[in-house]
Amino acid sequence: GAGVSQTPSNKVTEKGKYVELRCDPISGHTALYWYRQSLGQGPEFLIYFQGTGAADDSGLPNDRFFAVRPEGSVSTLKIQRTERGDSAVYLCASSLRWTSGVDEQFFGPGTRLTVL
Amino acid sequence: SQQGEEDPQALSIQEGENATMNCSYKTSINNLQWYRQNSGRGLVHLILIRSNEREKHSGRLRVTLDTSKKSSSLLITASRAADTASYFCATDADAGGTSYGKLTFGQGTILTVHP
Repeated sequence: GAGVSQTPSNKVTEKGKYVELRCDPISGHTALYWYRQSLGQGPEFLIYFQGTGAADDSGLPNDRFFAVRPEGSVSTLKIQRTERGDSAVYLCASSLRWTSGVDEQFFGPGTRLTVL
Repeated sequence: SQQGEEDPQALSIQEGENATMNCSYKTSINNLQWYRQNSGRGLVHLILIRSNEREKHSGRLRVTLDTSKKSSSLLITASRAADTASYFCATDADAGGTSYGKLTFGQGTILTVHP
């Protein structure tokens, strides 16, 4: 079956512009995660959805970042008024999230965002 | 912020040798996972070890966990050139017996295996 897909694979934008990054999780996966990875660093957690609701958005750096998952499947990460410091690879992951279980997260290939 | 540190930051070995990477973390965990990443893009899950486990094997991989020292190690035996990648440990914090689900990653070890 298909894995997690992310579009676009690369996005170049100018400072101050608005961008949307899309994540298509594995079919049937209830949990969806967004991470951000800067060069030479490990991924850092941004937000976690269980179904349609954001269960934990503690990793969003500020109010310019927002994410939605309106139908409990595809998710969009939205960044307003982009800054050069937002440049990074944005990774999406999904998992079958049991209420008391532990499970593997499957990652997409990421979107490389470059803010000029 | 990063959960902990990985050591070494870079490791260069010859094909056939074993590679050992270490990971330390700070908070109480439900489980710890190791991932591999090629070319700075998507991560591939390698192995998951729960907090009540001490050792786990998967093919050429062996993972150990010492919760008293808050540390883990990943051993790759009989390495191959195709093992060249960055390796990350990630912790899933303890939430009263279950896991939070969100992963906190280390900074990674860059492994280079020379043919």
